[in-house]
Amino acid sequence: GIQVEQSPPDLILQEGANSTLRCNFSDSVNNLQWFHQNPWGQLINLFYIPSGTKQNGRLSATTVATERYSLLYISSSQTTDSGVYFCAAYSGGGADGLTFGKGTHLIIQP
Amino acid sequence: DTGVSQDPRHKITKRGQNVTFRCDPISEHNRLYWYRQTLGQGPEFLTYFQNEAQLEKSRLLSDRFSAERPKGSFSTLEIQRTEQGDSAMYLCASSKAIDGNEQFFGPGTRLTVL
Repeated sequence: GIQVEQSPPDLILQEGANSTLRCNFSDSVNNLQWFHQNPWGQLINLFYIPSGTKQNGRLSATTVATERYSLLYISSSQTTDSGVYFCAAYSGGGADGLTFGKGTHLIIQP
Repeated sequence: DTGVSQDPRHKITKRGQNVTFRCDPISEHNRLYWYRQTLGQGPEFLTYFQNEAQLEKSRLLSDRFSAERPKGSFSTLEIQRTEQGDSAMYLCASSKAIDGNEQFFGPGTRLTVL
C-alpha cells in the first residue's frame, strides 16, 4: 500500500514564527488530507488537497501530485497551533481507508 | 449539521471482557470507517462500510473484532475477549463519496484494558 512520511517529527518555535510541514507519499493519490489533532485526540480537518493550493486564514497547503509531496504552511504561529499535525493519503484500488503519517509534533512557545 | 459522534468517550475494562462502541456518522454520509490509534502513532485503518455493506477489513482486524452497520446509519465495533494490547483510541470517520471522499472524524473512544 501507499507509504506516507512526514517531516520533521518535532518542531519547536516561538510565537509569531512561520513553519513548513512536509508530507511525502509513495504513490499517486486520490485523496490527501491534513489534520490537526488536539490534546483530547480529536482530529480537526484542515485541508482536503489531493492537488493544488488552498488557503484558510493563517494556514495554507500545497500538493504537487506529480512529485508526490504536500506542504502545510503555518504563518504567524500562535500557542493554540500547538499539537500534532497529520497528513493522510489514499491511493485508490481498494478500501478507501486513509494511510496516515506518523505526524509532526508542533510546540509553539509564548 | 452535527459532526460524527462516538459513544462512549472512555471505556475501562478488564482483560477478557467484551466491549462495544457506537459511531453515528454525519447524516447522509454513506461511507463509514473505523480506525485505531495507539500512543505516539498515526491512526490505522481497520474497516470500511458503504451503506450497510462492509467492503474491506484490514489485517489489523483480528477475529475478536467485529463491526456492523445494520441499517446503513450508525455502526458498532465490538471487541471480544479484550487484551491489554487492545488499549488504544478507536476513531470513527464518515464521508460522502460524491464530495471526493473527504473524511470527517469523531472524537474517538479511548479504551483502557487492565
